[in-house]
Amino acid sequence: EVQLVESGGGLVQPGGSLRLSCAASGFTFSSYWMHWVRQAPGEGLVWVSRIHSDGSSTSYADSVKGRFTVSRDNAKNTLFLQMNSLRAEDTAVYYCARERVDPTLDYWGQGTLVTVSS
Amino acid sequence: QSALTQPRSVSGSPGQSVTIPCTGTSNDVGAYRYVSWYQQHPGKAPKFMIYDVSERPSGVPDRFSGSKSGNTASLTISGLQAEDEADYYCCSYAGSYTLVFGGGTRLTVL
Repeated sequence: EVQLVESGGGLVQPGGSLRLSCAASGFTFSSYWMHWVRQAPGEGLVWVSRIHSDGSSTSYADSVKGRFTVSRDNAKNTLFLQMNSLRAEDTAVYYCARERVDPTLDYWGQGTLVTVSS
Repeated sequence: QSALTQPRSVSGSPGQSVTIPCTGTSNDVGAYRYVSWYQQHPGKAPKFMIYDVSERPSGVPDRFSGSKSGNTASLTISGLQAEDEADYYCCSYAGSYTLVFGGGTRLTVL
């Protein structure tokens, strides 16, 4: 059974940093591109970032470019999102998701809440 | 990276059909066949319902169908059931290994 479990969320002050993790199991993690998607309270889904199966290529939404860094450890089946210079508007539930062979997100984690507030 | 445009809400009675449009541009929806749709119940993670514009993954009822014309994709749900009440999001590949979601549509089953 495919499982994605996010962790690392919490309360952080504006300008602070946080590192999210996503532990994957039930599939060959190193064979799949992975994504981060976020959802602010009461709002819609917003794509954040994508990383190649071997970590060699990454892409970001304009709103987080230069502040967020996606990475992965295929030996530990774990996806990461390093978030720096956090702003109030980054407050959201952050989901990790697996990409099928095409740009479709077929499995999602349950999400981890990040709150940026003083 | 502007969000795709969806109506905020749609509604229908049990047994009826509803269609949710998703309008993008020639740089996303109009350019690729990589349009997908996701269903999200309150407090739950999204679940993918349609991929590649009109393909249904196993386990998704055939009451759910997708289509695309030009820069607008659509999700049609026929034979509405109470459990279909949820938020629905379209998503398109937007080039350069990026994705863009729609703002979401709340489906109410009357």
